[in-house]
Amino acid sequence: KNQVEQSPQSLIILEGKNCTLQCNYTVSPFSNLRWYKQDTGRGPVSLTIMTFSENTKSNGRYTATLDADTKQSSLHITASQLSDSASYICVVHEGNMLTFGGGTRLMVKP
Amino acid sequence: GAGVSQSPRYKVAKRGQDVALRCDPISGHVSLFWYQQALGQGPEFLTYFQNEAQLDKSGLPSDRFFAERPEGSVSTLKIQRTQQEDSAVYLCASSSGGPADTQYFGPGTRLTVL
Repeated sequence: KNQVEQSPQSLIILEGKNCTLQCNYTVSPFSNLRWYKQDTGRGPVSLTIMTFSENTKSNGRYTATLDADTKQSSLHITASQLSDSASYICVVHEGNMLTFGGGTRLMVKP
Repeated sequence: GAGVSQSPRYKVAKRGQDVALRCDPISGHVSLFWYQQALGQGPEFLTYFQNEAQLDKSGLPSDRFFAERPEGSVSTLKIQRTQQEDSAVYLCASSSGGPADTQYFGPGTRLTVL
């Protein structure tokens, strides 16, 4: 069974600080890997998408990286804001299958 | 509205009751997906429609779960004889293409089975 593992499970940082969230996966190769942001009580929203051959993709203060050799992806958040408080979910697409990680719950404190 | 909508937003059912959850996808989106998200977990795939055809239902946990999309637009997820382990948020998503394309999620329906 394809697996996507995320770490840490939860993280608390101060406003303005940077942080990096990790995603390890077993699916290889895959169509694409996405990072989603899920605010409490809302559905997930796509932040970044990377194909199997891409190494990095940025979306504002969010930068995702992909290392196909180690089967790892990371999401780096720069200059965090209070509104970044949410769950961040790594999702791997393979054919018709989507495998979701358990998410990292990020809390940004003032 | 322009996004995916789901109703009801919250549903409380007694064990053994049947429930029906509705999803209105973005207009014109051919693909529709249902996911189950337990508290503190990532979503898990349930089923996938392309227009009115249910192409994949491998994620449905039991034959008590049934989904339909008869006219290729609105979809209903039905759970018969609900059990406590069915308590979760049920997310619906739609996309203009296939599963690898960007999926737009609704806010979910939180089901609590007492």
